[in-house]
Amino acid sequence: QVQLVQSGAEVKKPGASVKVSCKASGYTFTGYYMHWVRQAPGQGLEWMGWINPNSGGTNYAQKFQGWVTMTRDTSISTAYMELSRLRSDDTAVYYCARESIVVVPAAIEDYYYYYGMDVWGQGTTVTVSS
Amino acid sequence: SYELTQPPSVSVSPGQTARITCSGDALPKKYAYWYQQKSGQAPVLVIYEDSKRPSGIPERFSGSSSGTMATLTISGAQVEDEADYYCYSTDSSGNHRGVFGGGTKLTVL
Repeated sequence: QVQLVQSGAEVKKPGASVKVSCKASGYTFTGYYMHWVRQAPGQGLEWMGWINPNSGGTNYAQKFQGWVTMTRDTSISTAYMELSRLRSDDTAVYYCARESIVVVPAAIEDYYYYYGMDVWGQGTTVTVSS
Repeated sequence: SYELTQPPSVSVSPGQTARITCSGDALPKKYAYWYQQKSGQAPVLVIYEDSKRPSGIPERFSGSSSGTMATLTISGAQVEDEADYYCYSTDSSGNHRGVFGGGTKLTVL
């Protein structure tokens, strides 16, 4: 069946980096974009960005520019999210989620069709503490 | 930066209709998506492209959008629908960045 399996919980010190993996199975990995979303304790969902596993192209939320790196390894159908210079307020559950996004080229601006994040990973808890 | 605004909480009795709103300046041009998150679980997509329901989502869930407001409606809400609901969309600046609303806690009792 279609599933996303994320790596295990991490405990990091402030200033360190963390790399979370998300292994896809049951579908064509390169056919769906992969989002990363985080949720701090007791807080709402926060969109971090996406990666197009086919091209490797990325789109990050402005807040995370220069601070997050999303990559993928198509040979093992796995996406990665690395967050650097961790602070205590980066303590959160980090989710990966796939979405079918169809891009139609146009003269002025390409049009993006979004079909919703329909499969989510189980979440990875990252705790940042000294 | 672009924001989506939701009420913090909505409360209904079982069998009543629950309506959760989401307002955003780009919604006249961008679709809204709705996610349900039960305590301790990953989110689940319940509505995409304003009003479409993924397979497996009960018919009591519906969505609509008019102007700058999108609405998730749960007709005949059930106790098991108690959860946090988040709207999601992208901004209209052409950079395709996503944003979630702050979330609405739906209480059914």
